[in-house]
Amino acid sequence: DAGITQSPRHKVTETGTPVTLRCHQTENHRYMYWYRQDPGHGLRLIHYSYGVKDTDKGEVSDGYSVSRSKTEDFLLTLESATSSQTSVYFCAISERGADNEQFFGPGTRLTVL
Amino acid sequence: QQQVKQSPQSLIVQKGGISIINCAYENTAFDYFPWYQQFPGKGPALLIAIRPDVSEKKEGRFTISFNKSAKQFSLHIMDSQPGDSATYFCAAKNPYTGNQFYFGTGTSLTVIP
Repeated sequence: DAGITQSPRHKVTETGTPVTLRCHQTENHRYMYWYRQDPGHGLRLIHYSYGVKDTDKGEVSDGYSVSRSKTEDFLLTLESATSSQTSVYFCAISERGADNEQFFGPGTRLTVL
Repeated sequence: QQQVKQSPQSLIVQKGGISIINCAYENTAFDYFPWYQQFPGKGPALLIAIRPDVSEKKEGRFTISFNKSAKQFSLHIMDSQPGDSATYFCAAKNPYTGNQFYFGTGTSLTVIP
C-alpha cells in the first residue's frame, strides 16, 4: 500500500458522536485525499490537501472536516456522525509529476449506529 | 461535467475470454486516465493509465484504448483469468481542480474457470 496506513481499520460508533480517522504516509507526497466508497457510487472525494495546512472540499464534504499539520498526516473528522456516513473510507496520496499516480491506503470501515 | 460514466456495472467472462469495460467523460480538461483494480477488503491499486495524446497503451494482458474525439476510453483484459476477478474503476484527473481524480462507479468482473 505504498507506505500509507490508516487508523483505525474498523470502527463502530453511535449517531451524534465525533469521529476522527487518521491517514499517515511515509512517501513525502504533496497531495493527500479522503474518499468514501459506497455501493453504486464508486469512490467520491470528500476533501483533499495540496500541502501542509492547504485543504479544499471535494464532491461530498458536508459533515466532514480535515486537517493537515504535517506532510505525513491527514485527519478526517466527522463532526457529528450520522448513519448516512456509514461507509468505507480510503486515504490516497499522489505527487505532482508526469505520472500522477495515486496510491490508496487499506481503508477504514466505519459503521454509525 | 466532472462525471465519468462507466459501464457495465457487472461482467461475467469465461476463462480465456476478453473482458471489456468502457468509460466516457465530458470534461476536456482531464489530462490523465487511470484504471484501478480492487480486490475485496483492499484499497484500489493502479492497473494501467494513459494520457490523452496516446490512443492505446498495452501492459501485458491489459490494454487501454483511448478515443479523444469521442471522449471515451476502455479497458481490455485479454485471456481473462479467475485471478482477474475484482472490481475495476476508471478515473480521470483534472489538473485545474487541485489534481482531483473523478471516478467511475465501478465494474464487478467475474471470470469463470
